[in-house]
Amino acid sequence: GQQVMQIPQYQHVQEGEDFTTYCNSSTTLSNIQWYKQRPGGHPVFLIQLVKSGEVKKQKRLTFQFGEAKKNSSLHITATQTTDVGTYFCAYLTGTASKLTFGTGTRLQVTL
Amino acid sequence: GEEVAQTPKHLVRGEGQKAKLYCAPIKGHSYVFWYQQVLKNEFKFLISFQNENVFDETGMPKERFSAKCLPNSPCSLEIQATKLEDSAVYFCASSQSATGREQFFGPGTRLTVL
Repeated sequence: GQQVMQIPQYQHVQEGEDFTTYCNSSTTLSNIQWYKQRPGGHPVFLIQLVKSGEVKKQKRLTFQFGEAKKNSSLHITATQTTDVGTYFCAYLTGTASKLTFGTGTRLQVTL
Repeated sequence: GEEVAQTPKHLVRGEGQKAKLYCAPIKGHSYVFWYQQVLKNEFKFLISFQNENVFDETGMPKERFSAKCLPNSPCSLEIQATKLEDSAVYFCASSQSATGREQFFGPGTRLTVL
């Protein structure tokens, strides 16, 4: 599958600051999912977006799927130390439904 | 169970030795996926199963890797003659359907090949 790039690779913020990670594909995606992986942990599903321009919110997290369905973003308002981890976008391909992951953005939050 | 279980947690093998990893999917989930995560956080899809049938094996290095999901047994991923580049964390995931929204990941098995 096509590679999905995420930027930035790494971000370090002070607690209370906002954070955004961007996911960019060279081709149109039918869906986008976001996962969070804590250090030493496993990916945990956060959300799935399927519609052009879709925006979904989960408490302090806002997820967006671009109009052209080639990019997506995850925005965290007022970060907390519990937000530390690596955030991956991913998409399901075809009937096999295997996940192709983005390159990930590692978030570090300090007091 | 309500969680995907993987054993062992850690596995150390000398180059050329065999490694076998196990995965018990969530009860009621028909689809099992294996992924390899290398040190730079890259995930690589290896293989998927629908019940005991191979669904997609396009990611498997077939000359050394094999996998099974037999009825009433944990799924397994076996690496014959391990190489240094096989060092990674191997995650198993399960889902209710092929087009299910989310995949539930196990805690992973960290394989170190010396």
